[in-house]
Amino acid sequence: EPEVTQTPSHQVTQMGQEVILRCVPISNHLYFYWYRQILGQKVEFLVSFYNNEISEKSEIFDDQFSVERPDGSNFTLKIRSTKLEDSAMYFCASSEMAGAYGYTFGSGTRLTVV
Amino acid sequence: EDQVTQSPEALRLQEGESSSLNCSYTVSGLRGLFWYRQDPGKGPEFLFTLYSAGEEKEKERLKATLTKKESFLHITAPKPEDSATYLCAVQHTGNQFYFGTGTSLTVIP
Repeated sequence: EPEVTQTPSHQVTQMGQEVILRCVPISNHLYFYWYRQILGQKVEFLVSFYNNEISEKSEIFDDQFSVERPDGSNFTLKIRSTKLEDSAMYFCASSEMAGAYGYTFGSGTRLTVV
Repeated sequence: EDQVTQSPEALRLQEGESSSLNCSYTVSGLRGLFWYRQDPGKGPEFLFTLYSAGEEKEKERLKATLTKKESFLHITAPKPEDSATYLCAVQHTGNQFYFGTGTSLTVIP
């Protein structure tokens, strides 16, 4: 069964450092997403991406965050200057179509900012 | 204001003891309601999508139903491997999901 693959599974970084989280969505999917889940809290939407541009973003997705699809397979989330409160699980997801269809989520990257 | 509320927060069942999880929502113009299963340290795993009141979906021991204000996930004769957190999410405008906080289910052998 096709999977969304995320790397690394766990990343520890110093506060103020830049991090890049990587995702390989399912190959025929056209819509890509990032969500995050702070420990013990809800899964929260960050951003959606289609046709090489951001289609929606939440209030969480401020200027410290950016997304990119640098080639035909990878989808990345960059956090420019990490803060302690950025510590969370970050999930990438993809879907074949827009509208009310389920996504496929990756297994996540646990980001720990120290 | 929370758009999606799940109850109970945690549920412990004996193996074989059937029960239901609740997801109530306050959004208007619902495009879809989704149930996901999440195991510790993993991403949400898709279970069901429900689109309109009265709709039902089944998969093995799970059955999801939808009304205009809430959805239920019924678990019949659960097994220990059904232990997980069950997440409900709604989609109304745009393409993003709004998740509830989940119900942590433990099935005791």
